[in-house]
Amino acid sequence: GAVVSQHPSRVICKSGTSVKIECRSLDFQATTMFWYRQFPKQSLMLMATSNEGSKATYEQGVEKDKFLINHASLTLSTLTVTSAHPEDSSFYICSARDRAGLIWTQYFGPGTRLLVL
Amino acid sequence: DAKTTQPNSMESNEEEPVHLPCNHSTISGTDYIHWYRQLPSQGPEYVIHGLTSNVNNRMASLAIAEDRKSSTLILHRATLRDAAVYYCILNSGYALNFGKGTSLLVTP
Repeated sequence: GAVVSQHPSRVICKSGTSVKIECRSLDFQATTMFWYRQFPKQSLMLMATSNEGSKATYEQGVEKDKFLINHASLTLSTLTVTSAHPEDSSFYICSARDRAGLIWTQYFGPGTRLLVL
Repeated sequence: DAKTTQPNSMESNEEEPVHLPCNHSTISGTDYIHWYRQLPSQGPEYVIHGLTSNVNNRMASLAIAEDRKSSTLILHRATLRDAAVYYCILNSGYALNFGKGTSLLVTP
C-alpha cells in the first residue's frame, strides 16, 4: 500500500509557541490530504481538507487562523499550530488520498503527538 | 456519509477466526464499505474495502450482505498483533469520518 510519513513523531513545546507538522506521501502524489486530531480514548476527528495549490477547507469549529495548513506540492502538506496552548495537546494524524481505478483510498501517517506545557 | 453501528468491544482467542460485524442500514448506492484498524499510538491502517461483492486480501476478508445493510470483517486467524480498534466506514469519495469502532482484544 501507499506510504505516508509524518514529522516529527512527537513534540513538546511551551505555551504560546508555534509548531509545524509535516505530512508527506512517499510513493504517490496526492492532490488532497486530510488532517485529523485524536484526543485520548476518543476517535479521530477531521479537522480540515488540504488541497494542493488552493486554500484548505476547515470543518466546523476548527479555527483556520490557529491551524494553518499549506499544501505547496503534490507530496507535502504542513499543519502549523499557532500560539499553542495546553488544550491543543493531542495526537495529530494526516492522511493522503490515492486512486486505483475508480476507488479513492486514504492512507494515514503514523501520527504526531503534541504536548503543550 | 451514512452512519455505521459496531459493537464497542469484542474478544477473541489467538489463532481463532474473528468476525467483526457492522450495520449500515442507511447505506446509499454509491457508498463503499471501508475497514481500517488502529493500533495503540499509531495512525489508522487500511484493511479492506468493498462495494457489493465479498472481498479477500492478505489481511482479511469482507463479507457484504446481499442488501448491503450490513457487513462483516473476517480475520481468519487472530494474532496478538491484531489487537486494535477496527473501524467500519462508509464513504463515497470524500474524507473518511470515523465512529467509535470496535476494540478487539486477542488473548493468548
